[in-house]
Amino acid sequence: GENVEQHPSTLSVQEGDSAVIKCTYSDSASNYFPWYKQELGKGPQLIIDIRSNVGEKKDQRIAVTLNKTAKHFSLHITETQPEDSAVYFCAVDTGGFKTIFGAGTRLFVKA
Amino acid sequence: KAGVTQTPRYLIKTRGQQVTLSCSPISGHRSVSWYQQTPGQGLQFLFEYFSETQRNKGNFPGRFSGRQFSNSRSEMNVSTLELGDSALYLCASSDRTGGNTEAFFGQGTRLTVV
Repeated sequence: GENVEQHPSTLSVQEGDSAVIKCTYSDSASNYFPWYKQELGKGPQLIIDIRSNVGEKKDQRIAVTLNKTAKHFSLHITETQPEDSAVYFCAVDTGGFKTIFGAGTRLFVKA
Repeated sequence: KAGVTQTPRYLIKTRGQQVTLSCSPISGHRSVSWYQQTPGQGLQFLFEYFSETQRNKGNFPGRFSGRQFSNSRSEMNVSTLELGDSALYLCASSDRTGGNTEAFFGQGTRLTVV
């Protein structure tokens, strides 16, 4: 079945620096790649997503890149702020009504 | 528009008991998915329902079951609880009928098995 690996598990950056989280997947039929942010005591919330016909997508300080050949995609957060501190999950969907999540990355942004 | 509502927020149960968790999706959403979240394991997919039909399920034992009602509200049931079932159970709804779209999560039900 589909497997999603996410790295790193923990990431600490200084405020204003960039943060990069990477995920790899196994099923070449995967066609939807969302990223979710989970804050303490809350459910995950979508922050950006990308579909298999697009290589890169940007939304203000957040960007996602997709390499279908290598089966990996990455989340980039620029000019990090303390409120970016949270757990981030990548996810993969093959269209089979099943979304597989990575294990998560705990991001700490130090002021 | 009200978000996804999960009840109860917290539960403490004893080994061997059974438990039922409830999820009310966003109005108009017909797809409901359930996930188990444990530290270090991320979100593990349990099952997905659409219009009262289970369309996919994850690799969990048969003690985990679910259903969806005609108003799209969903319940999941865990029978013969084990200590390892302690987790945050998350429900997500979406308006997808076939395509891949954003999932909206509830705050979850924290289940503790003692």
